[in-house]
Order: sequence, then C-alpha cells, then structure tokens
Amino acid sequence: EAGVAQSPRYKIIEKRQSVAFWCNPISGHATLYWYQQILGQGPKLLIQFQNNGVVDDSQLPKDRFSAERLKGVDSTLKIQPAKLEDSAVYLCASSDGTSGRFGETQYFGPGTRLLVL
Amino acid sequence: GDSVTQMEGPVTLSEEAFLTINCTYTATGYPSLFWYVQYPGEGLQLLLKATKADDKGSNKGFEATYRKETTSFHLEKGSVQVSDSAVYFCALRTEGGSEKLVFGKGTKLTVNP
Repeated sequence: EAGVAQSPRYKIIEKRQSVAFWCNPISGHATLYWYQQILGQGPKLLIQFQNNGVVDDSQLPKDRFSAERLKGVDSTLKIQPAKLEDSAVYLCASSDGTSGRFGETQYFGPGTRLLVL
Repeated sequence: GDSVTQMEGPVTLSEEAFLTINCTYTATGYPSLFWYVQYPGEGLQLLLKATKADDKGSNKGFEATYRKETTSFHLEKGSVQVSDSAVYFCALRTEGGSEKLVFGKGTKLTVNP
C-alpha cells in the first residue's frame, strides 16, 4: 500500500514570494490534515479536511495561507506572501477513521521543508 | 487548553540500555494518547497508542501505560538498539476538548553502539 505522498521535498524562497505544496493521501482515506512543524517543536495542525469539506481551520493564518482539497482526494497548501517565520516542515497526514474517531491512526508523509530567506 | 509536556532532550544511551521518555498531559476532555516516532529523513509514524485509562500500548519492544491518576504516558524500552535512534513525540486527542491531535515538542534519542 502506497503511503502519503508529498512534493516538493524541499523549497527555498524569498520572503513575500508565494509557494505551494501538494499532498496525495493514502487511497481511500477520507480525512486529510496539514501540519506545520517548526524546528524544535511538535507538529501543529493547520487544517483538517473530511472528504472535500473543511472540518477545522482554526489555526490556519488565513491572511496568507490557503488550502483546498478538490474532489476529496489530493490537496494543495499555499502560502502567499511568505514570511521568514513560515520556515518549517509542512506535513500532510491522512486517516480512514475506522479505528474510532479519537483513537484513529494518522499516517504522515515525509514532509516539505520550506526555507524563507 | 490541551497540552503535552515531554522530557527535554537530547537523550544519549548506549546500546542495550533501558529507556524512559517521560510524557505528561493536560486535557479538558477524555483523551486518547499516542507515541509517534520520526526516523531521520522520514515522516512521523505511529509507534503505539492507548485509548482509555490503564491501557498499555506496545510495539517493537516499546511500551507505555495510560495513567489517568498521574496524567502520564511514559515511553519505555528495556533494551534499546542503534536503530531506535529517532525523535519521539507524545500526543493526545481529546473527545469533548479541542479535538485536535496535540503534540509535545519531541525528544531526540541517540543510541550509540
């Protein structure tokens, strides 16, 4: 079974530029998550999708970050314009919800490492 | 709000040593508890979990017991190997609380031969 795919793996941009990340979840997984992991910290949830609907985006900086999950499969996360403090690893995860909602396992992709100069 | 506190790292051990990584939590509801592991260059993967008090999660020789009375979920392994070198994250998800998966800051473990 293929895992969660993310691209690109690395990205270097200058501040005020825009950037987009792509995620393809495990086939059949209805729930998709985007996390931000700043160096030395644990991942922080940015947005959660259930199929193509947003469940939770309370921690997404909506003035510069946007995300979509058209057709309920793959997803893109965009930052426009980027700031220095956006330098982090952006992780995508998916789950199928069969283990019960709060005990379910999330499967993570390898992440995209973003450096904003 | 919900939070997870892990012991500060990094932790350096010799092969076959005993490992404990402490994790305590604060939750507004009734949480499920998780340990995730991140090997170098890879994404996070679930190591073990426990969904109710006194449950013990175990996998690959690692164990953790959900202790409601001490709000803890300490990770243990009796004999670590070089291949266990990774960053370990404790996490919780609460029914009736924020409902997000909330992570600790992570503890980096290095095992030397």
